[in-house]
Amino acid sequence: DGGITQSPKYLFRKEGQNVTLSCEQNLNHDAMYWYRQDPGQGLRLIYYSQIVNDFQKGDIAEGYSVSREKKESFPLTVTSAQKNPTAFYLCASTGRVGSPLHFGNGTRLTVT
Amino acid sequence: AQSVAQPEDQVNVAEGNPLTVKCTYSVSGNPYLFWYVQYPNRGLQFLLKYITGDNLVKGSYGFEAEFNKSQTSFHLKKPSALVSDSALYFCAVRDYGGATNKLIFGTGTLLAVQP
Repeated sequence: DGGITQSPKYLFRKEGQNVTLSCEQNLNHDAMYWYRQDPGQGLRLIYYSQIVNDFQKGDIAEGYSVSREKKESFPLTVTSAQKNPTAFYLCASTGRVGSPLHFGNGTRLTVT
Repeated sequence: AQSVAQPEDQVNVAEGNPLTVKCTYSVSGNPYLFWYVQYPNRGLQFLLKYITGDNLVKGSYGFEAEFNKSQTSFHLKKPSALVSDSALYFCAVRDYGGATNKLIFGTGTLLAVQP
């Protein structure tokens, strides 16, 4: 079945450590997105990529980095510079303009 | 700047009664509007969208939404609520900053359906 796979489902890290969240899709979508979800704040865009080897900052990119070396993969690194990294992270992809986003099941990151 | 608002943090409704989850938007051009549902610790699932055409849009699981241009609203509705409809609902509008499908999301409305 086609879809988006995010791993791991739960991730625990100590403060000061970088951590990478995985996102893989087999939908043959060109565009991929990373959103952060916090209670009462909806979803906020971190980074997005419309094509391989290209990506743009979203609204809250500080403290995060991404790469897009393959069409299927869009990993997100949460760096130690991110001041409040504990959150639920959602990856999404989409095809042509106007198409709905398809979401993975998220990674819940807890940093202590 | 594009934006979307969901004025209710929570909506309570009895099973079998009609439900409405409200959404208003602000865009600089013609809006592309979406509704998504999220169950606990899961990703968002697409319910329906409006791009053009009929103002009443039908979607998954018996949900529908009415696009009202004069009131800049896109309320989600269902004639008869089920307990299994209890979830977090998000309204979203396409961000017109470039030829992308970037979406701007509302803060979400928690729907609680009582048996």
